[in-house]
Amino acid sequence: SSELTQDPAVSVALGQTVRITCQGDSLRSYYASWYQQKPGQAPVLVIYGKNNRPSGIPDRFSGSSSGNTASLTITGAQAEDEADYYCNSRDSSGNHARVFGTGTKVTVL
Amino acid sequence: QVQLQESGPGLVKPSGTLSLTCAVSGGSISSSNWWSWIRQPPGKGLEWIGEIYHSGSTNYNPSLKSRVTISVDKSKNQFSLKLSSVTAADTAVYYCARILTGYSHDAFDIWGQGTMVTVSS
Repeated sequence: SSELTQDPAVSVALGQTVRITCQGDSLRSYYASWYQQKPGQAPVLVIYGKNNRPSGIPDRFSGSSSGNTASLTITGAQAEDEADYYCNSRDSSGNHARVFGTGTKVTVL
Repeated sequence: QVQLQESGPGLVKPSGTLSLTCAVSGGSISSSNWWSWIRQPPGKGLEWIGEIYHSGSTNYNPSLKSRVTISVDKSKNQFSLKLSSVTAADTAVYYCARILTGYSHDAFDIWGQGTMVTVSS
């Protein structure tokens, strides 16, 4: 089955830009979706498809993809953006499975 | 607005079967969506368990497939998870979620609040 690899942790200064990446073979075939999870809370969808934001998600969140890498960019990070972020996509093995990335802890300094 | 609510025992004995239900409110489980179960062990990442369509079609995580059954009850507007032969490694917060499906994308757009299940004697 496919794997999606993320950097364990990144930090960003308040108001600056941070990019979180997700690598995996399945991303050559499928778009990633991205989820924000704060402690003790359920994950929240922030980006899906080519670069779509659900209603209520600030436009400082954006997504992109190239080859086997998907990226989530936070432009002008805010204190409330400090959270764990997970990517997800379909498994490219043809078994209709889905796989989550390993997760990235974003710290806003 | 669609909402999801998980329910079920918070404690399951080793070798037993974990059973959870996800009630769908504010919308129909027979809509054009798949419905999924996802879990998260304490301090760890998210793991997709499986999904079901209102027709009864299912897809499962290959690593759990031999122990997992997901079913749907359209009359009650809910879907359920059964995980057999549980061990301590199955201790986790279990989430149900709706899958938003589009032409070139899909995503878990609505999540339940999650329910903690502990496997212990």
